[in-house]
Amino acid sequence: AQSVSQHNHHVILSEAASLELGCNYSYGGTVNLFWYVQYPGQHLQLLLKYFSGDPLVKGIKGFEAEFIKSKFSFNLRKPSVQWSDTAEYFCAVSPYSGGYQKVTFGTGTKLQVIP
Amino acid sequence: DAGVIQSPRHEVTEMGQEVTLRCKPISGHDYLFWYRQTMMRGLELLIYFNNNVPIDDSGMPEDRFSAKMPNASFSTLKIQPSEPRDSAVYFCASSPSFPGQGARTQYFGPGTRLTVL
Repeated sequence: AQSVSQHNHHVILSEAASLELGCNYSYGGTVNLFWYVQYPGQHLQLLLKYFSGDPLVKGIKGFEAEFIKSKFSFNLRKPSVQWSDTAEYFCAVSPYSGGYQKVTFGTGTKLQVIP
Repeated sequence: DAGVIQSPRHEVTEMGQEVTLRCKPISGHDYLFWYRQTMMRGLELLIYFNNNVPIDDSGMPEDRFSAKMPNASFSTLKIQPSEPRDSAVYFCASSPSFPGQGARTQYFGPGTRLTVL
């Protein structure tokens, strides 16, 4: 079964600082990868996803993530964070195969951006 | 589209009472998921359905929990009897079939915050 590790549980940054949130997964085969964001008091929303092709994926609100297969990683980045990026970020992985496979979520990283 | 709809948004009940949470998935989505989110355990998948059929309920904590999907537009998660440790936010999500645009992307509802006293 697959698993996801998010090593940073709580990150505090000042506005305009650069962001990188780590995500590592454990699975021997091809995977689909996701980042979801949960703003305070709201539901999870898709930020970006990787299925195949260019390992550098661009998402909404200036976020991007890079899939590095050799490192089993899918780190989320943003060059300059804003106060409105304060949220919890979840990495998720799903095996790639015909038909549906269960998506496994990481434990989340809480990002606090200080004005 | 209205997105995934959940009701109620907040539920406060006393230990031992029956609780029913409701979910309406996005029209056309074949998959429906129930998750529980707590500070201690994060986001846990409880059960998911495909075409109204339960596929994997291995995440359901115990027999007090049950879920049904009588048709493509409605699902319930029931807890009977409820206990204080069931207090959490319960999310419903839906997903379109694979392959296709948006495949395996899960669309979450606003959640139901359950408090069991």
